[in-house]
Amino acid sequence: GAGVSQSPSNKVTEKGKDVELRCDPISGHTALYWYRQRLGQGLEFLIYFQGNSAPDKSGLPSDRFSAERTGESVSTLTIQRTQQEDSAVYLCASSLDYRGETQYFGPGTRLLVL
Amino acid sequence: SQQGEEDPQALSIQEGENATMNCSYKTSINNLQWYRQNSGRGLVHLILIRSNEREKHSGRLRVTLDTSKKSSSLLITASRAADTASYFCATDSLGGATNKLIFGTGTLLAVQP
Repeated sequence: GAGVSQSPSNKVTEKGKDVELRCDPISGHTALYWYRQRLGQGLEFLIYFQGNSAPDKSGLPSDRFSAERTGESVSTLTIQRTQQEDSAVYLCASSLDYRGETQYFGPGTRLLVL
Repeated sequence: SQQGEEDPQALSIQEGENATMNCSYKTSINNLQWYRQNSGRGLVHLILIRSNEREKHSGRLRVTLDTSKKSSSLLITASRAADTASYFCATDSLGGATNKLIFGTGTLLAVQP
């Protein structure tokens, strides 16, 4: 069956530009997570969506970062006025629900800000 | 801040040898998971151990959990070149409202053929 998909796979942008990253979770998964992984490091939690509940935005590093999710489907992560320190792999994961425990990850979007 | 710390940071072994990676964490947990990552891309879930379990097996994987020491180990037996990857432990938060996972910094395993 289809797993979590993300697009684009790679994105190169200039400092100051806005970027939008997309995640398609596994069908039927109500929980969706965004993580950031800088080179050689572990994953940093960014934001979590669960059904129609208010998202947990506690991991967003600044107000330049925002995310939306349409119902229980696609999510977009937007970074405004990108900075070089935003360069990282952005990973999306989904799980059956917030008690789903096992998270299924997409392949990630590698963002490079020049 | 990241809760899990793993050691070693990097490990190089010969095919057929066993590989052991360790993870320590800071707060009480419901469960601990191990994930594998190839080439800096998506993570693959390997195994989950609950806080009331001490040991769990899955194929060539053996995971132990010591909640008194807040530590876990992942043993890969009879390693293969295809096991070359980064391995991360991840913990949830006991009583947490979300299933947010806190990841360690990872162990980079290289299995030489």
